Amino acid sequence: DGGITQSPKYLFRKEGQNVTLSCEQNLNHDAMYWYRQDPGQGLRLIYYSQIVNDFQKGDIAEGYSVSREKKESFPLTVTSAQKNPTAFYLCASSPGQRTDTQYFGPGTRLTVL
Amino acid sequence: AQSVTQPDIHITVSEGASLELRCNYSYGATPYLFWYVQSPGQGLQLLLKYFSGDTLVQGIKGFEAEFKRSQSSFNLRKPSVHWSDAAEYFCAVGKTSYDKVIFGPGTSLSVIP
Repeated sequence: DGGITQSPKYLFRKEGQNVTLSCEQNLNHDAMYWYRQDPGQGLRLIYYSQIVNDFQKGDIAEGYSVSREKKESFPLTVTSAQKNPTAFYLCASSPGQRTDTQYFGPGTRLTVL
Repeated sequence: AQSVTQPDIHITVSEGASLELRCNYSYGATPYLFWYVQSPGQGLQLLLKYFSGDTLVQGIKGFEAEFKRSQSSFNLRKPSVHWSDAAEYFCAVGKTSYDKVIFGPGTSLSVIP
């Protein structure tokens, strides 16, 4: 079955530690996205990538970093510079254009203690 | 700046009753419009989308939405709600095919048996 996988589903880290969230897709999609979801705020775009080896900052990129070395993988690193990292993180992919339907992974809930 | 509003934070309906979830956007021209649904702790799934043509759009799970240019609205409807429809619903808008998609804050739907 084609889809998007995110791991782990739950992640706990101590304050000051960097942590990397995994996102893999086997849909052969060109574009991939990372969103942060907080209660009552909808989804906010962190980073997106339209093609391998290229990515762009979204609305809330500070304190986050990404890489896109392979078409199917788009890992997100939450660095110690992110002031309030506890949130639900969603990865998505789409065929190409940004207004294509986005297909979402199940999400990773990060809690920083 | 482009924005998306969902006036109702939370709605409760009885099973079998009709449902309408409201969505308004600020962009004046005809944008790309989407409705996504999110079950608790899960990713988002596309219900329907509108790009052009017939202003009444049919989606999955018995949902439909109507684009009204004069009201800048794209309300989601279902004639008879099922208990399994309890979820979070997000309206999303893209200005052009190359612009980012902006998500509304979401409406949480509860269904009373």
